Amino acid sequence: NAGVMQNPRHLVRRRGQEARLRCSPMKGHSHVYWYRQLPEEGLKFMVYLQKENIIDESGMPKERFSAEFPKEGPSILRIQQVVRGDSAAYFCASSLPGPGTQYFGPGTRLTVL
Amino acid sequence: AQSVSQHNHHVILSEAASLELGCNYSYGGTVNLFWYVQYPGQHLQLLLKYFSGDPLVKGIKGFEAEFIKSKFSFNLRKPSVQWSDTAEYFCAVNADTGGFKTIFGAGTRLFVKA
Repeated sequence: NAGVMQNPRHLVRRRGQEARLRCSPMKGHSHVYWYRQLPEEGLKFMVYLQKENIIDESGMPKERFSAEFPKEGPSILRIQQVVRGDSAAYFCASSLPGPGTQYFGPGTRLTVL
Repeated sequence: AQSVSQHNHHVILSEAASLELGCNYSYGGTVNLFWYVQYPGQHLQLLLKYFSGDPLVKGIKGFEAEFIKSKFSFNLRKPSVQWSDTAEYFCAVNADTGGFKTIFGAGTRLFVKA
């Protein structure tokens, strides 16, 4: 049973470009969470999605960031017009519905030049 | 709003020393509690979790944690650490607040000297 998969593992973008981060949840998991980890900081919740629905996006910056989890395919975290401050590790986790354990992917390390 | 505090950001221990990492949370309702570990260069792995029942929870690799409801605490312990326990440890909480987003503490970096 494959775990949570994220790609790419490393992504380099220049300021102003777009970054697309993908997350495939564990088989059978319908809930996806995105977190950001800045250097020397813990994980910050960004958004919680289930298929075709955003449940909680209270941790998402108001501008430039968006997330989706379509009926088919992976969840996508999209960052438009990236800035240097967006450089971080972005982790995705998935779970079954409810208060279950979240299983984490290996993360995508975004570097903005 | 929920929050999680981890008191120690960096801990250095010698092998065989005992470990206790503090974690306090703020939320008045029923919570689920977790400790995750992140080894260097790896992603987060679940160490142990508490949903209900016995407040003393045993996890993998000899770790345990005790939920003390009156103190809003969920401290992580290990009687004798090994060099291979060098990692970052995250305490996390989730609750039914219309969803089950998980709030993480800032993490504690543990370095175990051989």
